[in-house]
Amino acid sequence: DTEVTQTPKHLVMGMTNKKSLKCEQHMGHRAMYWYKQKAKKPPELMFVYSYEKLSINESVPSRFSPECPNSSLLNLHLHALQPEDSALYLCASSQDPRTSGTFQETQYFGPGTRLLVL
Amino acid sequence: SQQGEEDPQALSIQEGENATMNCSYKTSINNLQWYRQNSGRGLVHLILIRSNEREKHSGRLRVTLDTSKKSSSLLITASRAADTASYFCATRHFSGGYQKVTFGTGTKLQVIP
Repeated sequence: DTEVTQTPKHLVMGMTNKKSLKCEQHMGHRAMYWYKQKAKKPPELMFVYSYEKLSINESVPSRFSPECPNSSLLNLHLHALQPEDSALYLCASSQDPRTSGTFQETQYFGPGTRLLVL
Repeated sequence: SQQGEEDPQALSIQEGENATMNCSYKTSINNLQWYRQNSGRGLVHLILIRSNEREKHSGRLRVTLDTSKKSSSLLITASRAADTASYFCATRHFSGGYQKVTFGTGTKLQVIP
């Protein structure tokens, strides 16, 4: 199974709502990532988890709260978002960083969640 | 400006022609990768070239890397309509004490049947 799944595919939420994005992989990868991608722009890294611990937070506002409950799951909790947070949110995973001494190069991406904040 | 910048921003060619996209970057890198993204979907890894390599092939794809010029090119030969997508280079480099992957601005390729 070389698939990364993300749910939901689409999400519309108001600025006062609380919602969560979910990501799952069963490839045994121990590094997982959240990216944000605006239209016609490249993906921008938000968070990196390594062995279920947050290792990189790219100065993301606190209204985005990541969570890695186990090695297969990655969540992104959303609260009090702004309209400018509307974007495609991509999850990715890669192999064991400790084996290679670094984060394994190839990242496997999910299809993304398209978020619209009204 | 961004770590990875690509040109052209958009490219339109006829099916069967070759497509060449270029990527320039600013800092030293460990490797450079090319990804493809169909409209509004996830990215798919195409090919990786390490900093000590100069050229790599995979099927109809050919990637070159010139570390002295901090640039890379992706050549797609005998293009097909199904190659229509956005193509991103991504560099792995140290930043803020961590190894990070930073994506370039992307080239939108349209292959006309």
